[in-house]
Parts: sequence; structure tokens; C-alpha cells
Amino acid sequence: DQQVKQNSPSLSVQEGRISILNCDYTNSMFDYFLWYKKYPAEGPTFLISISSIKDKNEDGRFTVFLNKSAKHLSLHIVPSQPGDSAVYFCAASRRRDDKIIFGKGTRLHILP
Amino acid sequence: DSGVTQTPKHLITATGQRVTLRCSPRSGDLSVYWYQQSLDQGLQFLIQYYNGEERAKGNILERFSAQQFPDLHSELNLSSLELGDSALYFCASSASPGLAGTQETQYFGPGTRLLVL
Repeated sequence: DQQVKQNSPSLSVQEGRISILNCDYTNSMFDYFLWYKKYPAEGPTFLISISSIKDKNEDGRFTVFLNKSAKHLSLHIVPSQPGDSAVYFCAASRRRDDKIIFGKGTRLHILP
Repeated sequence: DSGVTQTPKHLITATGQRVTLRCSPRSGDLSVYWYQQSLDQGLQFLIQYYNGEERAKGNILERFSAQQFPDLHSELNLSSLELGDSALYFCASSASPGLAGTQETQYFGPGTRLLVL
């Protein structure tokens, strides 16, 4: 039973446009959500997080939105750049730094 | 560079064998986590150690075991290997678990790619 779901295995976006990556979760006990980015042959790297007490967190070109009632979060990248091409993992936990449950990832391709 | 090191980078072995994967956390980090990434399952949490003690367990098979040593490095032991154990194994570290008001996150190593033939 997948508690964190990323239903789009891949996404292609034109350079300069907005990339929107979606994630759904089933466990209402999750209170901390994270996005990780992974390049080939490297480990995932932390990108941005959000606590369940917020509905938006912004860091430069990256914004994460959380809709608790829908158990949905999304990552917006504006504007998309070629270096953003990577696999993005959505993750959730019940408290910060506890066991983190990852989604299967979405591969983002930024097109020139 | 996350500061987390993993050895070896690649490992090829045969079914039925036993291997040990090693992880050195970032300097000062007390928590170590092990994950398995296979093609169809994404990143699966296996086990967490904090300052030498097991803290959380995920989808870790009984054939697998781990430990964290006094110098805080960790080893993941995989035994009676099967073809399906072929995967990328990641180690991650963080400073302390469950600290309220901090931005603790897990920092991942580059992974060990295990191929069981």
C-alpha cells in the first residue's frame, strides 16, 4: 500500500515555463513533507520542505503547496531551467527526521 | 557533495552470497538511515540508527541486518542474496531525530549499486 503517490512517472516542460509536480498521500498522520531531487549516479538531495501547519513554502524558484484536506502537495518550479532535469521524489513523515516515506518519483525533462 | 560517503560504489556478486555495504555519515550527524531503490519500488526505507541504537525499522528483510558503530559509521549486511536484491542502496544521515523547530533533513550518500547474478 503506497502511502505517498506520484502518479506521473515523467513530465516534459519547456525551458522558462512553469513545472508542476504533484504528489498525493493517504496517511493523515503525516505532518512534514519534503521534496528531493536526484540526478543520475548521485544520491537524492533535499530541495524544499513544508510543515503541515503551513500551506505554502517558497525558496527561490521553488514553491511547495500543501492542501491538507485533499492530502495533496505540489512543487512548482518557475522558471524551469535545463539543470532542473532530474527525478523528483515527494516524501512525507509523521515528525521531522522520523522515518520518511518516499514516492516513486517523477522524471522531469526540461526541453530547450 | 553531501558529506556522506558510501563504499563500495559498485558490487557484483552471485546468488546466495553475503555482502557488506559501508556508510560514513556527515561529520557530527548521529542518525544513519538505509534505503533501497529498486526499479519498480522507488526509494524504500530499510532501517535507522541513532547514536548506535536501532531507532526505526522499515521494509527490511530478515536476511538483511545493519549496525552503527561507536565512530558512527554504519554497515548494512545483506545475506543469502537473491536476484531481486539487485538495487541501489543509499545511506543518509542527519543530526538528530525529532528536534522541533529545526530544519533537520536527511543528507544522502551517492549509493552503492548492487548487482546479484
